[in-house]
Amino acid sequence: DQQVKQNSPSLSVQEGRISILNCDYTNSMFDYFLWYKKYPAEGPTFLISISSIKDKNEDGRFTVFLNKSAKHLSLHIVPSQPGDSAVYFCAAAVAGGTSYGKLTFGQGTILTVHP
Amino acid sequence: KAGVTQTPRYLIKTRGQQVTLSCSPISGHRSVSWYQQTPGQGLQFLFEYFSETQRNKGNFPGRFSGRQFSNSRSEMNVSTLELGDSALYLCASSLLGGAPNNEQFFGPGTRLTVL
Repeated sequence: DQQVKQNSPSLSVQEGRISILNCDYTNSMFDYFLWYKKYPAEGPTFLISISSIKDKNEDGRFTVFLNKSAKHLSLHIVPSQPGDSAVYFCAAAVAGGTSYGKLTFGQGTILTVHP
Repeated sequence: KAGVTQTPRYLIKTRGQQVTLSCSPISGHRSVSWYQQTPGQGLQFLFEYFSETQRNKGNFPGRFSGRQFSNSRSEMNVSTLELGDSALYLCASSLLGGAPNNEQFFGPGTRLTVL
């Protein structure tokens, strides 16, 4: 039962253009969402997060959008740079309750930014 | 501030053996979560420890266990290794372990190969 889905295994973008990575979730209890970037042989690196009380959060070149009614979030990277080439994971969490320390991850999207 | 460290980085074991992996969280972080990453299943939550107590557990058999020490360092143990246990094991630390605004920071992982 895949509660967090990233339906695009890969995405190829030209340097300077926008990269849009998508993520869908099924569990309506999720109320906190995160994006991580992962290079080979390294652990995931935190990029940006958003709480369910917001619909947008920006940090430099990275913006995350949340559409709760559609259970959909997206990560926009503008402008894309070759160093952004990595695997991007979407993750979701339930605040409070007994879901301590648990992130539910999507399968990841491989982003390749061409010079 | 030093990041999350994991030792060893690589391990090769044979079926039936047991293994212990170690994780040192970021200084001041009291929550440690463990994840298993495999090509087929992606990143899956194993368990979370806070103040030496396991607060949350994923859907893994009892062969997977862990503990946390008073200095927040954590270990996970896998007994009676199976071929399917070959994976990247990731440890993540956070201040308190609960969302929101409680991002997890990952270590580089331990690559376990079971022969």
